[in-house]
Amino acid sequence: AQRVTQPEKLLSVFKGAPVELKCNYSYSGSPELFWYVQYSRQRLQLLLRHISRESIKGFTADLNKGETSFHLKKPFAQEEDSAMYYCALRDDKIIFGKGTRLHILP
Amino acid sequence: GAVVSQHPSRVICKSGTSVKIECRSLDFQATTMFWYRQFPKQSLMLMATSNEGSKATYEQGVEKDKFLINHASLTLSTLTVTSAHPEDSSFYICSARVAPGVYGYTFGSGTRLTVV
Repeated sequence: AQRVTQPEKLLSVFKGAPVELKCNYSYSGSPELFWYVQYSRQRLQLLLRHISRESIKGFTADLNKGETSFHLKKPFAQEEDSAMYYCALRDDKIIFGKGTRLHILP
Repeated sequence: GAVVSQHPSRVICKSGTSVKIECRSLDFQATTMFWYRQFPKQSLMLMATSNEGSKATYEQGVEKDKFLINHASLTLSTLTVTSAHPEDSSFYICSARVAPGVYGYTFGSGTRLTVV
């Protein structure tokens, strides 16, 4: 069965430190993976998708099929990065992980 | 562009009553919309897929007679929680597929339902 696992509910990181939000998936076939972000009092929005191999707001995520992971990384955390982050996998619908709250400490 | 408007943002209702939540695509036509539910500290769980002009497809475990979905036009899908109970209290979010392709989804701002 398709599944997305985000093992960390909360991640606290000091400003300027590197960030890594973990995501593992279970999927038979070639997955399409995304990261979504929800800032406080705002709607859920797409952060990035794996096929574009883009960097958005300094974040990147590499699909590792061997480890079935799609971890989200940023080399230097900023206070405005504090938000809820969801890893998601697309089949004919989107399957979300439980989310990780990223808290950037000043 | 590609904005989905969800209304109301918050609603409190008495147990046993019904509540309707609207999801409108403002500047595009959404042939497919999705309804999610989020319990506190849990993930977004897909409830059903709404297709314009046809019956919604419900996920396993979701009561279709309790969560009525209507997608009568290309810009409007509604979710009606019938005979609401306190355990239906949750955060409901709609999403629409903007265009074919892996990035083509946009989300409503959500509705916080509290059943008292």
